[in-house]
Amino acid sequence: GAGVSQSPSNKVTEKGKDVELRCDPISGHTALYWYRQRLGQGLEFLIYFQGNSAPDKSGLPSDRFSAERTGESVSTLTIQRTQQEDSAVYLCASSLDGGSVYNEQFFGPGTRLTVL
Amino acid sequence: EDQVTQSPEALRLQEGESSSLNCSYTVSGLRGLFWYRQDPGKGPEFLFTLYSAGEEKEKERLKATLTKKESFLHITAPKPEDSATYLCAVREGGSYIPTFGRGTSLIVHP
Repeated sequence: GAGVSQSPSNKVTEKGKDVELRCDPISGHTALYWYRQRLGQGLEFLIYFQGNSAPDKSGLPSDRFSAERTGESVSTLTIQRTQQEDSAVYLCASSLDGGSVYNEQFFGPGTRLTVL
Repeated sequence: EDQVTQSPEALRLQEGESSSLNCSYTVSGLRGLFWYRQDPGKGPEFLFTLYSAGEEKEKERLKATLTKKESFLHITAPKPEDSATYLCAVREGGSYIPTFGRGTSLIVHP
């Protein structure tokens, strides 16, 4: 595809359930990032992948959050035992190479997660 | 202390009324300053990257400039379709993760 895609676009779940959010980066982009954006707030960094390794997981808010990436392709963000404070838009971005100076990020449309 | 501060938080303009948005930063060893536009319910859309003081980039009614401490996004003769939140992000030397400001919400009235 031409851009970053994310699925689902919307997810409503009950407190305590697990959810999986998917991101398909731009083809050829080796770097992938997950962010969280709460209503009216800025972007909160969660995790960064270079290839399929995650050199920076410092933004994951708790051990309920995990992410993986297959090669230089799809990434999945998993939230276990969801809580109401997890409600937010989860944004994925990819860039050509995280280590390069030319690393503009291109964002997907986001997944809006609502925990009831 | 925030590394990236955007001002104003919100700005209302009349169509055709030019203005500027500010992004000030305190990181050392700047490796890139990025501007994005975010429409409601959508992901941020990349606009510009600036790398060194004195650099300028333009796109339609937008012009971004950079000094050693801040960047400005100048909007000339804005139209209602320019209404959006404009985000600034800064990448510091040694870090792979850009730091985002909180954004400026721009509304342009017809």
